[in-house]
Amino acid sequence: DAKTTQPPSMDCAEGRAANLPCNHSTISGNEYVYWYRQIHSQGPQYIIHGLKNNETNEMASLIITEDRKSSTLILPHATLRDTAVYYCIVRPPYGQNFVFGPGTRLSVLP
Amino acid sequence: DTEVTQTPKHLVMGMTNKKSLKCEQHMGHRAMYWYKQKAKKPPELMFVYSYEKLSINESVPSRFSPECPNSSLLNLHLHALQPEDSALYLCASSQPLQGAEAFFGQGTRLTVV
Repeated sequence: DAKTTQPPSMDCAEGRAANLPCNHSTISGNEYVYWYRQIHSQGPQYIIHGLKNNETNEMASLIITEDRKSSTLILPHATLRDTAVYYCIVRPPYGQNFVFGPGTRLSVLP
Repeated sequence: DTEVTQTPKHLVMGMTNKKSLKCEQHMGHRAMYWYKQKAKKPPELMFVYSYEKLSINESVPSRFSPECPNSSLLNLHLHALQPEDSALYLCASSQPLQGAEAFFGQGTRLTVV
C-alpha cells in the first residue's frame, strides 16, 4: 500500500482557509486519495476523495498535483467545529481496506 | 441515508464475560469493516467482510470473533478479553468497488475490567 506522510499538527485561524498537505510519493496510477476527519471520540467522517482531477464538495476541496505524489485538502472557511484529526488515505485499486496513518491534528483558533 | 448504527454505545465487561457488538447499515453496501482504536492513535483494521464472507483478518486474536449474518448486519463477538482490549470499536461499510467511500459508525466504547 502507498504510504502517506502528513504533518502531525497545524493551527488555523477561524474564518481562514485551512490547507492540509499530504505526501504520497509512491502512489500508483489507479489508487484513490481519500480524506477523513475524526472529531474527538466520534467515528471518522468522510470528507472527499479523488483519483487525478481536483474535486470539490460542500465540505472541502481536494487538490491533487499533476504527478499525483501529493495532495492538499482545503477547508475554505474554517470554523471551531473543524477542529479534528484529519487523515489522508491512499486506497489500493479494488482494495478492501482503508488504512489510517497518524493524521494531522488541526486546531482552529478563535 | 449514510448512517452506520453501532450498539451499544458503551460496554463494560469482565474478563470472563461473553458479549457482542452490533453494527447495522441500510445503504446496500456489501463490504463491512471492524476497526479498533486506542486513545490518541489512528483506527486499526481488524476484519473486512465482502459479500458476507470474511476477506481480511489482520491477525486478530481468536477472542474476537466476527460474524456477518446478512448484508446489513455485522457482529463482533467478544470472549475472555483482557484489559488491554479496552478501546473504541468502529464499524464501517462501503461498496466493494474501486473509488467507493466508506462510512463509519460512532463506535462502541469498550472497557474490560
